[in-house]
Amino acid sequence: DTGVSQNPRHKITKRGQNVTFRCDPISEHNRLYWYRQTLGQGPEFLTYFQNEAQLEKSRLLSDRFSAERPKGSFSTLEIQRTEQGDSAMYLCASVRGDTQYFGPGTRLTVL
Amino acid sequence: KQEVTQIPAALSVPEGENLVLNCSFTDSAIYNLQWFRQDPGKGLTSLLLIQSSQREQTSGRLNASLDKSSGRSTLYIAASQPGDSATYLCAVYSGGYQKVTFGTGTKLQVIP
Repeated sequence: DTGVSQNPRHKITKRGQNVTFRCDPISEHNRLYWYRQTLGQGPEFLTYFQNEAQLEKSRLLSDRFSAERPKGSFSTLEIQRTEQGDSAMYLCASVRGDTQYFGPGTRLTVL
Repeated sequence: KQEVTQIPAALSVPEGENLVLNCSFTDSAIYNLQWFRQDPGKGLTSLLLIQSSQREQTSGRLNASLDKSSGRSTLYIAASQPGDSATYLCAVYSGGYQKVTFGTGTKLQVIP
């Protein structure tokens, strides 16, 4: 296992800009989660994929957020028209069996 | 809506002490419960997973218990070490694996 990778690791953007994050799960892990984590809080569930199918989407995920997982491999999370409240760590995890393997996260700062 | 609470929010103990971390959840219709640790600036690492039909799981110095009826789980750490210093998070799975709710975590500091 090479581990879950996320890119970029850090992103600074201006309010109103669009940003896209990428998650490369461990190969052959068919389930994948996205979370958002702010300082001092636990991760908040955003969305869940099984293969390419997005099976669950949190109400936290407004219309400005969209996630994809084409061909059941890597996944992308896009935020349109970013707001300062979107500043957070965005975490991705892929799953084997019952165990989630987390990536290092992408830290987003919206100025 | 599932809500998960962890008490205490922070804990500082001397090395060698045994300790218990608590996790409470409001909806007992859970699928699984999992404990993680998070080191500063890093992602989460899975420690133990308890399925809803189980009452406890053990791994090394860690023991996690689950009481669904009371909506509680505890993580017991024996003979704590400075390397155990981290934030410990519990996560509750509902509706299969499709919904996950994390607690706010307990920040543990083990003093040498």
